[in-house]
Amino acid sequence: QKEVEQDPGPLSVPEGAIVSLNCTYSNSAFQYFMWYRQYSRKGPELLMYTYSSGNKEDGRFTAQVDKSSKYISLFIRDSQPSDSATYLCAMSANQAGTALIFGKGTTLSVSS
Amino acid sequence: GAVVSQHPSWVICKSGTSVKIECRSLDFQATTMFWYRQFPKQSLMLMATSNEGSKATYEQGVEKDKFLINHASLTLSTLTVTSAHPEDSSFYICRIGTAYNEQFFGPGTRLTVL
Repeated sequence: QKEVEQDPGPLSVPEGAIVSLNCTYSNSAFQYFMWYRQYSRKGPELLMYTYSSGNKEDGRFTAQVDKSSKYISLFIRDSQPSDSATYLCAMSANQAGTALIFGKGTTLSVSS
Repeated sequence: GAVVSQHPSWVICKSGTSVKIECRSLDFQATTMFWYRQFPKQSLMLMATSNEGSKATYEQGVEKDKFLINHASLTLSTLTVTSAHPEDSSFYICRIGTAYNEQFFGPGTRLTVL
């Protein structure tokens, strides 16, 4: 079993839809959870950073962490064509992120 | 503005040549730099971790003599792909870790080896 599992998609939604992206993991030592957005041929950009379980909201983005289920989610409300990108989950057991484990990424396409 | 820059952003070279990729931290002193490789439709694969002034730590399966990493200052790390071959064609991305535990990625360098 891989440490981090993420459905690669692709996921296609119409503009304005609510998008749900998910990752599961197996290592209970993970404490720090991140979501990155990566546009084609660009470096990843940090979207959300969460410590331990709970929710975090930033504008149209909400990150949820359920450590009991080893499951994390990223919700995008009112999706826009500019949200079309690959979304990577990442997690680490330490704050320094020295051992940052990435999911494969989910490719999202939002059509206008 | 950008926190991390990479140069070049895109390079094409002939098989057997060496290519140097620079990663610069623009606003922070990067105590740690990470180098990743990403093949199409694949996730980021960590190649090596370097701390300023010390030798890099390579991940299993990564040839340290082929992928030379130099982290000579707190703002610059270089990755040199020696004797590049077509299978080395990939997207190379650096990540910096600051003393405040913030993590920033560079924009990436696309290497194509003919």
